[in-house]
Amino acid sequence: KQEVTQIPAALSVPEGENLVLNCSFTDSAIYNLQWFRQDPGKGLTSLLLIQSSQREQTSGRLNASLDKSSGRSTLYIAASQPGDSATYLCAVNSGYSTLTFGKGTMLLVSP
Amino acid sequence: ETGVTQTPRHLVMGMTNKKSLKCEQHLGHNAMYWYKQSAKKPLELMFVYSLEERVENNSVPSRFSPECPNSSHLFLHLHTLQPEDSALYLCASSQRGWGNEQFFGPGTRLTVL
Repeated sequence: KQEVTQIPAALSVPEGENLVLNCSFTDSAIYNLQWFRQDPGKGLTSLLLIQSSQREQTSGRLNASLDKSSGRSTLYIAASQPGDSATYLCAVNSGYSTLTFGKGTMLLVSP
Repeated sequence: ETGVTQTPRHLVMGMTNKKSLKCEQHLGHNAMYWYKQSAKKPLELMFVYSLEERVENNSVPSRFSPECPNSSHLFLHLHTLQPEDSALYLCASSQRGWGNEQFFGPGTRLTVL
């Protein structure tokens, strides 16, 4: 059974810092990995999707990497802003339309 | 409307009530999903519908009853729920198949008294 772990569970940084969120998964037989953002009480916004054949994806200040063989992914956020404050979720797709989620990292960026 | 929409956004119900959650997708997808998000727990997949047929049910209690009348609409009928069923219920859609990206709605915040 696929399990996804996200570290840290919570992170508080001052504005302007670069930061890294970590995601690990137990079964490396995945199709892709997605990073989502979730604001309090809201739905999920997809940030980046990395296919299993890719090593990284970039969107603006966000960069996600994938090391499938070691079961790890990182989400790098450059020059963090207060508007980046949210919960970040990692999810792996390792079956027919099946996503397995981690518990998330709650990020707070203070002005 | 664009993307995936859900109604209502908030719902409070007693344990003896019957209510329904609605999801609609405007993306031309042919697979739809219900997820449950409880406090301190990862999102849990409840049901998957592909081409209007249920293809996965992760041992969800029978007090939750899904319905998918067509590829654009998905319902979750609720009856005799328990307080522990209080959670955020999220709907998603995708193209049917292996590894396709899922798109999520804003969710319905359910409180069972």
